[in-house]
Amino acid sequence: EAGVAQSPRYKIIEKRQSVAFWCNPISGHATLYWYQQILGQGPKLLIQFQNNGVVDDSQLPKDRFSAERLKGVDSTLKIQPAKLEDSAVYLCASSPNTGFGGYTFGSGTRLTVV
Amino acid sequence: KQEVTQIPAALSVPEGENLVLNCSFTDSAIYNLQWFRQDPGKGLTSLLLIQSSQREQTSGRLNASLDKSSGRSTLYIAASQPGDSATYLCAVANQAGTALIFGKGTTLSVSS
Repeated sequence: EAGVAQSPRYKIIEKRQSVAFWCNPISGHATLYWYQQILGQGPKLLIQFQNNGVVDDSQLPKDRFSAERLKGVDSTLKIQPAKLEDSAVYLCASSPNTGFGGYTFGSGTRLTVV
Repeated sequence: KQEVTQIPAALSVPEGENLVLNCSFTDSAIYNLQWFRQDPGKGLTSLLLIQSSQREQTSGRLNASLDKSSGRSTLYIAASQPGDSATYLCAVANQAGTALIFGKGTTLSVSS
């Protein structure tokens, strides 16, 4: 089965610019997650979707971050404007609706804000 | 609020050693616990998933145990190899379908 696809793999932008990341989950996985992983830290949840509805966005900095999941499949995470502290790896993951299965992660997008 | 702690933060061992990585969590009412491997610049690869009703899971040279009552899990790696060098992350899900809460990881280096 195909894995979780993410693009781009790397992105370098200047502070105050905007950036967008794309994720395509495993086919049939209803739940999609975006995590932020700062160097030396474990991943931290930004937002969780169930189909195309938001389940948890309590840790999403909503003044600059936004995310959407159109038609319950692909998802886009946007940052506008970016700050230096947004430099991190952004990981997308998906899981089956049943909750018994494990999570599958994409390779991530490494963002550097200069 | 669930918190996950991993000890040690880093570990260096010679090839062939058996080793144990530790993970602790503050709220014992978890749904499942998962161990991941992360290579530099890469995403996360799932190693073992333990449901709350299980005590351990095994895959090849890896064995993960879970003691919910004490809030602890261990990942045992037998006969370590240089290819095992990576960061190992422990994560718990508090309820079915909820997001994982991660520890900071243990960075393992196995020398030949």
